[in-house]
Amino acid sequence: DVKVTQSSRYLVKRTGEKVFLECVQDMDHENMFWYRQDPGLGLRLIYFSYDVKMKEKGDIPEGYSVSREKKERFSLILESASTNQTSMYLCASKDPGQLYGYTFGSGTRLTVV
Amino acid sequence: AQKVTQAQTEISVVEKEDVTLDCVYETRDTTYYLFWYKQPPSGELVFLIRRNSFDEQNEISGRYSWNFQKSTSSFNFTITASQVVDSAVYFCALRGGKLTFGQGTILTVHP
Repeated sequence: DVKVTQSSRYLVKRTGEKVFLECVQDMDHENMFWYRQDPGLGLRLIYFSYDVKMKEKGDIPEGYSVSREKKERFSLILESASTNQTSMYLCASKDPGQLYGYTFGSGTRLTVV
Repeated sequence: AQKVTQAQTEISVVEKEDVTLDCVYETRDTTYYLFWYKQPPSGELVFLIRRNSFDEQNEISGRYSWNFQKSTSSFNFTITASQVVDSAVYFCALRGGKLTFGQGTILTVHP
C-alpha cells in the first residue's frame, strides 16, 4: 500500500516563525498535494505539484509556499506564521493512473500562538 | 468552477439506525469523478468509493450504499444499521481537474 507520511502530528509555533511541514510518499507518485482542513469549510487546496520542481497554486495559496526537490518529498512552508494559519494540514499523493482517488497522510495539526 | 455541498454539518443517530449523508455537486465538466472519504479520529482520510460521471449505477458494499443521480447532481451515501465505529467525519469530493471537497458531515453514532 502507498504510504504518505507527515513528519509531525502536532506542532505549536509562534507568530512570525517560518514553519516547514514535511510530507513523504513511498510509491514514486508524480502528483502531490497540500490541503488545509477547517471546521465547516472542508478541505481546501493550498498547492499541488505534478513533478519535481514544479508547483501550482491551489485555491488558497496566500501565505504559503512549497518545495519539491525530490519526487518523494513535498514540503509546505509558512513564510511567517500567523494565528489564522492554525489548522489541520493534510498531504496527499496520487499516481495519474490511480483509481482510488488520492492517498492521504494522517495530518499535521498546527497551532500558531 | 466546481463546488461540492454537504448540507448536513452534523448528524447524530443511535446504533442500528439507518443514516443518509447528502452530497450535491456543481461542475461544467462532462467527465468527472465523485468520491466519498471517511475521516476517523485518527485523522487519515480513508477512501470509500469512486464513481465516474458515466456510471449511474447505484452501488452497495456491505452496510454502505451510494445513490448517484446525475439529473439532480447528487451522490448520497447511506449507512444501514449504523454502528459506533461508523462515527467519523465523511467527505464527499468531486474531481474534474482538481479534487474539490465538500464541507464534511460529522456523524456520531451512539450506543
